[in-house]
Amino acid sequence: AQKVTQAQTEISVVEKEDVTLDCVYETRDTTYYLFWYKQPPSGELVFLIRRNSFDEQNEISGRYSWNFQKSTSSFNFTITASQVVDSAVYFCALSEDTGRRALTFGSGTRLQVQP
Amino acid sequence: DTAVSQTPKYLVTQMGNDKSIKCEQNLGHDTMYWYKQDSKKFLKIMFSYNNKELIINETVPNRFSPKSPDKAHLNLHINSLELGDSAVYFCASSPWTSQREKLFFGSGTQLSVL
Repeated sequence: AQKVTQAQTEISVVEKEDVTLDCVYETRDTTYYLFWYKQPPSGELVFLIRRNSFDEQNEISGRYSWNFQKSTSSFNFTITASQVVDSAVYFCALSEDTGRRALTFGSGTRLQVQP
Repeated sequence: DTAVSQTPKYLVTQMGNDKSIKCEQNLGHDTMYWYKQDSKKFLKIMFSYNNKELIINETVPNRFSPKSPDKAHLNLHINSLELGDSAVYFCASSPWTSQREKLFFGSGTQLSVL
């Protein structure tokens, strides 16, 4: 069975600090997909990234970067020079290639960026 | 144009009532979902439909009944509402491809059962 663990329940940083959100997953499939979503205080779920299990290249998008390591089953998310607008709950999610087509979400990490 | 729209945004009702939440997507996707987000923010899949056919039915009380009249719509009907049903319900859609695509979410329906 697939499982996603986000051990950090809440993180508080001061603006301009870098912050890393951890995500560890479990799956028996060799092909799977990992996602990050952001949920700001307004409540909507905003897609950030999708990565398949064969693509271990790290990705950078502006201040956001993702570090995918199959050896440790981790898909961590780093925000560089955090801003108040980054304050949100961030979810990591997993979808296996076989079986049902639905995302299994981690419990989320609440990030508070203080001015 | 909103891609995935769900109504109402807020729903306040008494225990024992029956209520429905509607969801529509204009993205041409084949697959639609209902997720429940509890007070601790945990998101859990409830149902999934592909081309009007039920493909996921998680361990959800049978008071919850999804209905998909066509592939662009997935409604959620809840009978005999209980206090524990209070949550935010998200509708989502995705294309049906050989890969796992991202889900497009609606803005959520906050259900409060008094």
